[in-house]
Amino acid sequence: IAGITQAPTSQILAAGRRMTLRCTQDMRHNAMYWYRQDLGLGLRLIHYSNTAGTTGKGEVPDGYSVSRANTDDFPLTLASAVPSQTSVYFCASSVDSGGADTQYFGPGTRLTVL
Amino acid sequence: QKEVEQDPGPLSVPEGAIVSLNCTYSNSAFQYFMWYRQYSRKGPELLMYTYSSGNKEDGRFTAQVDKSSKYISLFIRDSQPSDSATYLCAMTLLYAGGTSYGKLTFGQGTILTVHP
Repeated sequence: IAGITQAPTSQILAAGRRMTLRCTQDMRHNAMYWYRQDLGLGLRLIHYSNTAGTTGKGEVPDGYSVSRANTDDFPLTLASAVPSQTSVYFCASSVDSGGADTQYFGPGTRLTVL
Repeated sequence: QKEVEQDPGPLSVPEGAIVSLNCTYSNSAFQYFMWYRQYSRKGPELLMYTYSSGNKEDGRFTAQVDKSSKYISLFIRDSQPSDSATYLCAMTLLYAGGTSYGKLTFGQGTILTVHP
């Protein structure tokens, strides 16, 4: 089944721990994105990658890092988690990064940092 | 102040009603405008996108953009219980080279419930 998968589905994490959220797409899309969704704030872009081997910072990149070693995978790492990183994280992809390119979203990872 | 403002609702309407969802924005450089629908505990999915001022219709959905007022709307005709979801407006601008880098700016989302 074509689409985006994210893992884990949910996670409770102690503050200070390192955590990697996984994202894989099988649509051969060039561009991939990580968003966080918080009540009252909508979706905010954390990092993006327009093609394998390149990444860029979004609106709220602090405390997060990404890598794009190949087309399909775009992991998001929290080096030392803090409670303010409690959120729902969505990975998305699009064919390219033009203005009209549709972004397809994964099912999300619910992360709680205590 | 956020670049994109959207009334979070919640909005509750009876089946068959016409629903109007709205967003205002402050950055006149935004060029592409989108509406996403998000069901509970799911990822958002694109409903419609528009590029220019005016109306775009797709079945029961009409997207309207007024760039002079920096205002966009989504109308749902003959609303159904299956339309119950959170609706998010999103927009992006183009940088040099014609790319947006995929940088969407979202509104806060409006929670809609259509009751039978």
